[in-house]
Amino acid sequence: DAGVIQSPRHEVTEMGQEVTLRCKPISGHNSLFWYRQTMMRGLELLIYFNNNVPIDDSGMPEDRFSAKMPNASFSTLKIQPSEPRDSAVYFCASVRANTEAFFGQGTRLTVV
Amino acid sequence: AQSVTQLGSHVSVSEGALVLLRCNYSSSVPPYLFWYVQYPNQGLQLLLKYTSAATLVKGINGFEAEFKKSETSFHLTKPSAHMSDAAEYFCAVSDGNAGNMLTFGGGTRLMVKP
Repeated sequence: DAGVIQSPRHEVTEMGQEVTLRCKPISGHNSLFWYRQTMMRGLELLIYFNNNVPIDDSGMPEDRFSAKMPNASFSTLKIQPSEPRDSAVYFCASVRANTEAFFGQGTRLTVV
Repeated sequence: AQSVTQLGSHVSVSEGALVLLRCNYSSSVPPYLFWYVQYPNQGLQLLLKYTSAATLVKGINGFEAEFKKSETSFHLTKPSAHMSDAAEYFCAVSDGNAGNMLTFGGGTRLMVKP
C-alpha cells in the first residue's frame, strides 16, 4: 500500500484565496483525522471522521475551515478565505479500528 | 477526557548515552499508548505502541517503552543514542473508542551531540 497520500506537498497562496488540501487514506481504514502543526501550538486535531461521518470538529478554528469526506477514499480540508495565521503544516492520518494511526507526509501551507 | 504531558520540550544527549523521554498520561479508561517520531519535513512514524498486552514494549530503531499504570507513565528509552535519532518525538494516547481519536503531547525534540 502507498500509505496515506496528501496533496499538494507545498502550497503558497495569497491572503484571501481559497485553499483546498487533499487526502487519500489507506484502503480499509475507517477513521480519518486532520491535524495542524505549528511551532507555537504543536499538533492540533482539527476534525476527525469515522466511516466517512464527521464525529468531532471542535478543533476547527473558525468557519473559514471546512472538511468533507465524500467517500472512504478521499477527504478535503478547505480554507476560505485564507489568512497568514493559517500558515502551518497540515497532516492527514488514517486508522483501522483499534490500531495505530498512519500519517501522510503533510502539506506545508504558506499564506502571504 | 484524555491528555498527555511530555516533560521537557528539548532533550540533549551525547552519542552513545542513554535516551530517556518522559510521557505521562491521563485517561478515564485503560489506554492505548503510542510513541511517534518525526524527522524534519516528514510526517509522523510509529515507533511503538502499547495496547494492554506486555507492559514493556519494544519498537523500531532500538527504542522501548514501559507502561506503568501506578505512575500513569509511558517513558521512552534507548540504551545508546545514535546521531540518526535526532528528531522530534510525540507521545499519544487513545481510549480505543470514539473512532480511535489520538491525543498528542507537545513533543520532545531530541538532539544528539557527537
